[in-house]
Amino acid sequence: QKEVEQDPGPLSVPEGAIVSLNCTYSNSAFQYFMWYRQYSRKGPELLMYTYSSGNKEDGRFTAQVDKSSKYISLFIRDSQPSDSATYLCAMSGQAGTALIFGKGTTLSVSS
Amino acid sequence: DTGVSQNPRHKITKRGQNVTFRCDPISEHNRLYWYRQTLGQGPEFLTYFQNEAQLEKSRLLSDRFSAERPKGSFSTLEIQRTEQGDSAMYLCAGGQGRPEAFFGQGTRLTVV
Repeated sequence: QKEVEQDPGPLSVPEGAIVSLNCTYSNSAFQYFMWYRQYSRKGPELLMYTYSSGNKEDGRFTAQVDKSSKYISLFIRDSQPSDSATYLCAMSGQAGTALIFGKGTTLSVSS
Repeated sequence: DTGVSQNPRHKITKRGQNVTFRCDPISEHNRLYWYRQTLGQGPEFLTYFQNEAQLEKSRLLSDRFSAERPKGSFSTLEIQRTEQGDSAMYLCAGGQGRPEAFFGQGTRLTVV
């Protein structure tokens, strides 16, 4: 079992839809959780950072962490064609140590 | 723009040749990471520096790979005797204080 599991998709939604992206993990020591967006042939771009359990909102994006279930989510409201990208979850146990990534979920938003 | 610059952006090399990539983070980034990413996969951790000290290396990292960060500024990643399986995107990321890492645009390596 990989440390971080993420459904690669692809996920296709119409413009304006609410998108839910998820990751599960096995290492209970993980306490820092991040979501990155990656466009084709570009480096990953940090979207959201969350420490421990709880919710965090930033504009159209909401990140949720449920440490008891070892499950994290990213919600995108009012999705736009420009949101079409690969979304990567990443996590680490201690600040500064290696981030462990999921495989990424490819999202396509059609206009 | 994360301020992390990687050069070159693309590199094509023949199997068996040595290649070197460079990463220039911003001056505030005391942490520096190297990752490798292949098509359809998430970034895979290679190695990590805190200032000039290499603190962690992946067990998957072949001894053909070596990285340096002299004076805690820029970093280089060298691959010796390249193999076709080394073809990938090599990503550098910097960080400071909090756990987030900020990535450069990557160097795409093709071994022919």
